Amino acid sequence: GQQVMQIPQYQHVQEGEDFTTYCNSSTTLSNIQWYKQRPGGHPVFLIQLVKSGEVKKQKRLTFQFGEAKKNSSLHITATQTTDVGTYFCADPIGGAQKLVFGQGTRLTINP
Amino acid sequence: NAGVTQTPKFQVLKTGQSMTLQCAQDMNHNSMYWYRQDPGMGLRLIYYSASEGTTDKGEVPNGYNVSRLNKREFSLRLESAAPSQTSVYFCATKGGGTGELFFGEGSRLTVL
Repeated sequence: GQQVMQIPQYQHVQEGEDFTTYCNSSTTLSNIQWYKQRPGGHPVFLIQLVKSGEVKKQKRLTFQFGEAKKNSSLHITATQTTDVGTYFCADPIGGAQKLVFGQGTRLTINP
Repeated sequence: NAGVTQTPKFQVLKTGQSMTLQCAQDMNHNSMYWYRQDPGMGLRLIYYSASEGTTDKGEVPNGYNVSRLNKREFSLRLESAAPSQTSVYFCATKGGGTGELFFGEGSRLTVL
């Protein structure tokens, strides 16, 4: 089954509001990756987090890796319509040969 | 460079028919993957190939076969399609460095 659980499954916000999605694992993760998939598109890599407590920023996106490396979050500040899509976390397992994805959080935005 | 190319983009099959989804990459990556995506289920790994000549099962391999024809190509075959295999199929390759996945555009398969 899924190695990582992602919540919420859906999130609808007004443009300009913040958005956060969470990824949780019962086991320690070696690292975690985040992807974005636009409606009708394919997943596109955003970032990889490796270190305990790591925080990385990409413009309005902030990614965090928990101190215990069992959870991660993606926070978007002041959402824009271009942020619409589904955000996935992914856990490399099997010696990093396999990448197992969370169920994703679908973000919709009211302009 | 095309990156990862999947064919066909759309296909409608009848139950029991067979078909092969093709994937080709020009990124010189060793590892290739097949995922299926269903609403609310995220992306589930069907099969992967860590290198030319090797293939391994993922989370949901039943009903599928794969062939890693050479370094560039990784095909997914449905021998006897079932309605439960209606899905969007993505091929991906894994790059060096961060090990990020590069996805194809997807193949939308409907089994009636």
